[in-house]
Amino acid sequence: EAGVAQSPRYKIIEKRQSVAFWCNPISGHATLYWYQQILGQGPKLLIQFQNNGVVDDSQLPKDRFSAERLKGVDSTLKIQPAKLEDSAVYLCASSLDRVSTEAFFGQGTRLTVV
Amino acid sequence: DQQVKQNSPSLSVQEGRISILNCDYTNSMFDYFLWYKKYPAEGPTFLISISSIKDKNEDGRFTVFLNKSAKHLSLHIVPSQPGDSAVYFCAASEKGNNYQLIWGAGTKLIIKP
Repeated sequence: EAGVAQSPRYKIIEKRQSVAFWCNPISGHATLYWYQQILGQGPKLLIQFQNNGVVDDSQLPKDRFSAERLKGVDSTLKIQPAKLEDSAVYLCASSLDRVSTEAFFGQGTRLTVV
Repeated sequence: DQQVKQNSPSLSVQEGRISILNCDYTNSMFDYFLWYKKYPAEGPTFLISISSIKDKNEDGRFTVFLNKSAKHLSLHIVPSQPGDSAVYFCAASEKGNNYQLIWGAGTKLIIKP
C-alpha cells in the first residue's frame, strides 16, 4: 500500500515570497491533515479536511496560509507571503475517517525562510 | 497552554533494558491517547494507543499505561533495541474537539549498545 506522498522535500525561500506544498493521501482515506512542526515542538494542526470540506481550520493563519483539497483527494497548502517564523516542517497526514485515531504521515516538507 | 507535556527532552537507555517514556496532560476530557515514533527526515508513525476507559494496553515489546487520576501516561519498551532510537511523541484527542490530536514536544530516546 502506497503511503502519503508529499513534495517537495525541501524548500528555501526569501521572506515575502510565496510557496506551495502538495500532498497525495493514502487511497480511500477521507480525512486529510496539514500540520506545522517547528523544531523542538510537537506537530500543530493547521487544517483538517473531511473529503473536500474543511472540518477544522481554527489554527490556520488565514491572512497568509490557504489550503484546498480538490475532488477530495490531493491537497495543496500555500503560504503567501512567507515570514521567517514560518520556517518549519510541514507534515501531511491522512486517516480513513475523522474518528480514526491512527493517522498516517508523509515525510514532510522542510521549509526554510531566509 | 500546553495540554500535553513531555518533560524529558531526551532519555538514554542501555540496550536490553527497559525504556520508560512519560507524558502528562491537563485536559480531563481527552478520551484517547497515542504514541508515535519518528525517525530523522521521516514523518511520525503510529506505535500504540489507549482508550481512556482502559489503564493498560500491550503490543509486543510496547506497553502503554494510563493513570487518569494523575493525568499521566507512560510508554514502556522492553527490551530496548538499537532500532528503538527515535523521537517519541505522545498525543491525545477529544471527541468533542473533532478528535483533533494535541501533541507533546517529544522525547528523544537513545539506545546505547
